[in-house]
Amino acid sequence: EPEVTQTPSHQVTQMGQEVILRCVPISNHLYFYWYRQILGQKVEFLVSFYNNEISEKSEIFDDQFSVERPDGSNFTLKIRSTKLEDSAMYFCASSDGFTGPDTQYFGPGTRLTVL
Amino acid sequence: AQSVAQPEDQVNVAEGNPLTVKCTYSVSGNPYLFWYVQYPNRGLQFLLKYITGDNLVKGSYGFEAEFNKSQTSFHLKKPSALVSDSALYFCAVREMSGSARQLTFGSGTQLTVLP
Repeated sequence: EPEVTQTPSHQVTQMGQEVILRCVPISNHLYFYWYRQILGQKVEFLVSFYNNEISEKSEIFDDQFSVERPDGSNFTLKIRSTKLEDSAMYFCASSDGFTGPDTQYFGPGTRLTVL
Repeated sequence: AQSVAQPEDQVNVAEGNPLTVKCTYSVSGNPYLFWYVQYPNRGLQFLLKYITGDNLVKGSYGFEAEFNKSQTSFHLKKPSALVSDSALYFCAVREMSGSARQLTFGSGTQLTVLP
């Protein structure tokens, strides 16, 4: 069964550094998403991406964040200058966009630790 | 704005007994409703969703959920719990109208099935 994959599984970085989290969505899916889960808190929506542009974003997704689909398979989340409060589990998801409401399938997550 | 409440942080049930994990929602229009399960160090796995029609939705691993519009609830149920069902369960909502696809999650309910 096709799966969403994410790399790395764990990323440790120093405050102020840039990080790129990578995702490979399910191959025939058209919509891509990033969510995050701070330890012990809810899963929160960050951004959705369709047709090479952002379709929705939350208040969390400010100028330090950006997303990109650099090629036909990868979908990335860049955090430009990390803060301590960016420490969280980041989940990528994808959906096919055809069968409404399409189901979002999640990857295993990347745990980001900002020191 | 849409929201989800999972009133129980923790549910304990004996193996073989029926289980219920509660969820109530708030949206301005009609909802699409989802249940996901998260095992330790894993991503969110889709269990089932409510679109429209039959209020009882059947999903993976013997789980089902009942949509109740008057009570704005979507409780997850299983007739006979297994120890392997022990995990963190999340309810999520998305509004039916419009193009927004972001999911709003509840805070999660830790289900422990005791042998």
